[in-house]
Amino acid sequence: GDSVTQMEGPVTLSEEAFLTINCTYTATGYPSLFWYVQYPGEGLQLLLKATKADDKGSNKGFEATYRKETTSFHLEKGSVQVSDSAVYFCALRYNTDKLIFGTGTRLQVFP
Amino acid sequence: DAGVIQSPRHEVTEMGQEVTLRCKPISGHDYLFWYRQTMMRGLELLIYFNNNVPIDDSGMPEDRFSAKMPNASFSTLKIQPSEPRDSAVYFCASSRGTLNTGELFFGEGSRLTVL
Repeated sequence: GDSVTQMEGPVTLSEEAFLTINCTYTATGYPSLFWYVQYPGEGLQLLLKATKADDKGSNKGFEATYRKETTSFHLEKGSVQVSDSAVYFCALRYNTDKLIFGTGTRLQVFP
Repeated sequence: DAGVIQSPRHEVTEMGQEVTLRCKPISGHDYLFWYRQTMMRGLELLIYFNNNVPIDDSGMPEDRFSAKMPNASFSTLKIQPSEPRDSAVYFCASSRGTLNTGELFFGEGSRLTVL
């Protein structure tokens, strides 16, 4: 079945470091792909999305490019801040009303 | 506008007791989802509704779990009897239309601890 695989965390970085969180997917067709973020004590919220191959989603300095060849949707940010500390979830949707989430990657940014 | 509202935020109960979690979706949203989050299993979809009708409950772990949506502004998730392995954070989320935009709006969750 359709699934999402994320790198295990935690990812620990110093402020202003470059961030990459890997996400790969398995789907029978061409899904829509999403990154959600969960700040401590809160629910998830949509960070960015891409609905077709080669699309780049971006928001708040974060970017991710839909790569069909490698079935990937890696999340990147050029310079992280302490306030970016959160859990990041990759998700896909294909031919259904359900979002399938990865297991989440915890990011910890230290000053 | 108010977001998705869940109650209670925290619940501690003893094994065997009945637990009822409540959710008020965003007004005008016609989809409602119940998710469970644990360290071991991550985020699992339990059930979702469209226009108050349950569409897919294949994620409901067993008969001890039940969910209802009597009207467009209210849903419950009930566990009876509760067990320690049900301890988790339960999220309710809603959306308008299908998920073409992918934007689910989540509540802040109900943290359940079963002793």
